[in-house]
Amino acid sequence: AQSVTQPDIHITVSEGASLELRCNYSYGATPYLFWYVQSPGQGLQLLLKYFSGDTLVQGIKGFEAEFKRSQSSFNLRKPSVHWSDAAEYFCAVAPLTGGGNKLTFGTGTQLKVEL
Amino acid sequence: GAGVSQSPSNKVTEKGKDVELRCDPISGHTALYWYRQSLGQGLEFLIYFQGNSAPDKSGLPSDRFSAERTGGSVSTLTIQRTQQEDSAVYLCASSSQKEGIGYTFGSGTRLTVV
Repeated sequence: AQSVTQPDIHITVSEGASLELRCNYSYGATPYLFWYVQSPGQGLQLLLKYFSGDTLVQGIKGFEAEFKRSQSSFNLRKPSVHWSDAAEYFCAVAPLTGGGNKLTFGTGTQLKVEL
Repeated sequence: GAGVSQSPSNKVTEKGKDVELRCDPISGHTALYWYRQSLGQGLEFLIYFQGNSAPDKSGLPSDRFSAERTGGSVSTLTIQRTQQEDSAVYLCASSSQKEGIGYTFGSGTRLTVV
């Protein structure tokens, strides 16, 4: 069965510092890959997604993610974090075929931004 | 509408009561999903509707849970005889053929069973 691991439960960074959130997946084949963000009391907002092609994906709010097949990773990055980026971030996967487009989520990484 | 709308935003119910949670997807979106977000379990898939096809109910945790989608639009998730372990945030999402995977989520319904 597919699984998604986000090894960091909490991360604290200073405003203006760079950010990298880790995501590893276990799957039979390269799945679709996603990053979502959830602010308190809100639903999940899609930051970016990877289906195929260029392994560096650009998303909204200045985020990017890099797919590395050899490491089964899809880490999320931002060069300079803003205080408004404080939220919970979820990595997710979905099968390329079949599976009904169901997403399997990681357990999330809570980001705190220090001013 | 402009986004996925869920109601109520908060629901407190007594153990053993039935509850209905509503989801109004983005107009024209053919696919609709329900997920549950709870402490200790993370985000779990519950059920998936695609057009007129039979729904994928493989994520429903027990026969107390059911969902329907009327007219290919609004969906209702029903939990019968609620238990304390049903307390969670229930999230609805929808997507279109064009949008493909990577759907739009609503803000969720926070259910508390006391």
